[in-house]
Amino acid sequence: EVQLLESGGGLVQPGGSLRLSCAASGFTFITYAMSWVRQAPGRGLEWVSSINGPGGSTYSSDSVKGRFTISRDNSKNTLYLQMNFLRAEDTAVYYCAKQTEAYDSTWPWYFDLWGRGTLVTVSS
Amino acid sequence: QSVLTQPPSVSAAPGQRVTISCSGGSSNVGSSHVSWYHQVPGTAPRLLIYGNDKRPSGIPDRFSGSNSGTSATLVITGLQTGDEAVYYCGAWDVSLIGGVFGGGTRLTVL
Repeated sequence: EVQLLESGGGLVQPGGSLRLSCAASGFTFITYAMSWVRQAPGRGLEWVSSINGPGGSTYSSDSVKGRFTISRDNSKNTLYLQMNFLRAEDTAVYYCAKQTEAYDSTWPWYFDLWGRGTLVTVSS
Repeated sequence: QSVLTQPPSVSAAPGQRVTISCSGGSSNVGSSHVSWYHQVPGTAPRLLIYGNDKRPSGIPDRFSGSNSGTSATLVITGLQTGDEAVYYCGAWDVSLIGGVFGGGTRLTVL
């Protein structure tokens, strides 16, 4: 079955760190760019970060640049999001999402498979 | 404030047609292909339209998309109660060098 399964969310204090994981199955992981998209409670979707299939090219939104790092381990079919210096405004459900090309995560830019999401709560 | 602008809500009766607009600029809707997603609250988004007007397998032809430059449109015909959800548009922004989404449009089928 083709699926994405996020894990690693939880409650963390402001200024703390967390690492999210997304386990992919049912498709050849390395041949697809991947992204993280988040959704704050009661709010819309917000793109966070993207990485190409080989893992050598990444992009991140200005709101997380310098604090979050996207990476992948193609030998483990797993996508990661290392989140440092967390803020209250980072509280959201974080979705892992699959794109449709390998080498360029910016074109085409759309997501044909989403995980169920993992909730990150930043609060003291 | 989202980079892409969508109406907060639309409504129509079962069987009717509804349109949802997604207004952007030359650096996103005007330069990139628009995609549309459907999200029932509490669940993950699902791809409805990609490449402005293409449907993934399994999406009925009641759903269609178009892009006329800096504005994209999602059209849903033959509305069903199961279509009630929030709909989002998305595109890559070549100026921001990042992905952008609309704020979402809640569809109510009366």
